Amino acid sequence: AQTVTQSQPEMSVQEAETVTLSCTYDTSESDYYLFWYKQPPSRQMILVIRQEAYKQQNATENRFSVNFQKAAKSFSLKISDSQLGDAAMYFCAYRSATGTSGTYKYIFGTGTRLKVLA
Amino acid sequence: DSGVTQTPKHLITATGQRVTLRCSPRSGDLSVYWYQQSLDQGLQFLIQYYNGEERAKGNILERFSAQQFPDLHSELNLSSLELGDSALYFCASSVAPQFGEQFFGPGTRLTVL
Repeated sequence: AQTVTQSQPEMSVQEAETVTLSCTYDTSESDYYLFWYKQPPSRQMILVIRQEAYKQQNATENRFSVNFQKAAKSFSLKISDSQLGDAAMYFCAYRSATGTSGTYKYIFGTGTRLKVLA
Repeated sequence: DSGVTQTPKHLITATGQRVTLRCSPRSGDLSVYWYQQSLDQGLQFLIQYYNGEERAKGNILERFSAQQFPDLHSELNLSSLELGDSALYFCASSVAPQFGEQFFGPGTRLTVL
């Protein structure tokens, strides 16, 4: 069974600085998706970035980028020029790209709470 | 706004009662997922439907059930409620299971007293 581990329960970053959130996963599959979701105090789950495992190039969305190391099964999120609005819980998630009879379960990590200091 | 709607936003009820949570997926999305998030916890996958059919089950209790209707909206039924069922319940949708990301609704906060 697949697992997703976020080993940092909480992180802090100074406004305008850069922070990296860690995520590791375990799977025997070769094709899958990885995601980072943000959950601000409003509790809404917001997709930040996605990565397809077959793509070697790391995904980037504005100030958010990932470091995808497939062999190491690592998927970290880098936030550049941190802003106060980035303060939130961040969840790493895994989903296989193939499934039996369309069974596509998403597996979420336990989350990392990011605090942004003014 | 993700386009996924959930009603009600808040629900307060007593132990032993039964409630129904409703979700409307984004226009065109065929797949619906239900998750439970207890206070300061991660997301627990409950169940997934695709075009009216159950496709995957996670850690869903026998007291809980769900269905997806022909118009693609979904309902999650929680019965014989216990204090521990108090949580935020999210619905998410995606176009089809083979596409990657899912989009989340705002959640229903259930409080069992």
